[in-house]
Amino acid sequence: AQTVTQSQPEMSVQEAETVTLSCTYDTSESDYYLFWYKQPPSRQMILVIRQEAYKQQNATENRFSVNFQKAAKSFSLKISDSQLGDAAMYFCASKGGNTPLVFGKGTRLSVIA
Amino acid sequence: NAGVMQNPRHLVRRRGQEARLRCSPMKGHSHVYWYRQLPEEGLKFMVYLQKENIIDESGMPKERFSAEFPKEGPSILRIQQVVRGDSAAYFCASSLRGLGNTEAFFGQGTRLTVV
Repeated sequence: AQTVTQSQPEMSVQEAETVTLSCTYDTSESDYYLFWYKQPPSRQMILVIRQEAYKQQNATENRFSVNFQKAAKSFSLKISDSQLGDAAMYFCASKGGNTPLVFGKGTRLSVIA
Repeated sequence: NAGVMQNPRHLVRRRGQEARLRCSPMKGHSHVYWYRQLPEEGLKFMVYLQKENIIDESGMPKERFSAEFPKEGPSILRIQQVVRGDSAAYFCASSLRGLGNTEAFFGQGTRLTVV
């Protein structure tokens, strides 16, 4: 079984600043994958970044990076140089080998101009 | 290459009616997943299907809900005798394979309102 916990219901950041969104997970799978999805007001789910658990190197996609701490089962998302368009709900998710995505409850990010 | 298409975008049903939600996966994708999102909540897994097969329905309510993904045509999520508690956004996702690192692409969802 997999569970994903996001302990920050809401976060805010000043434009151009950096913000970190927290996520912890639990899984019985030895081979699994972790994801961050963004859901803007349009409701479209957009993949932001993903991490293979077997890789030690933290994934990076432009202004988005993760801090993957496997022993602590922690997978935080860092957004650098925040932009107004980053305002959205952010969902952390995990997936086993052939199992569906399991999502956390989300963090609502506000970006202040 | 069109993305995952869900229709309708909005659906209003009276209590006791049936709701049919459709999902056309991305071209070439044979794995489909349905999720339900309640207001201010994350997405809850409902069912995972491959063409003509249900792979995992552990998240589906035991009654009134069913899903199919026929050989031809879209995947259908069917809710019989809807109740107010069924009001939610229903999302479909598709992937090329079912393996862990395969990206799942999401549709824009169907917002079901039961009045």
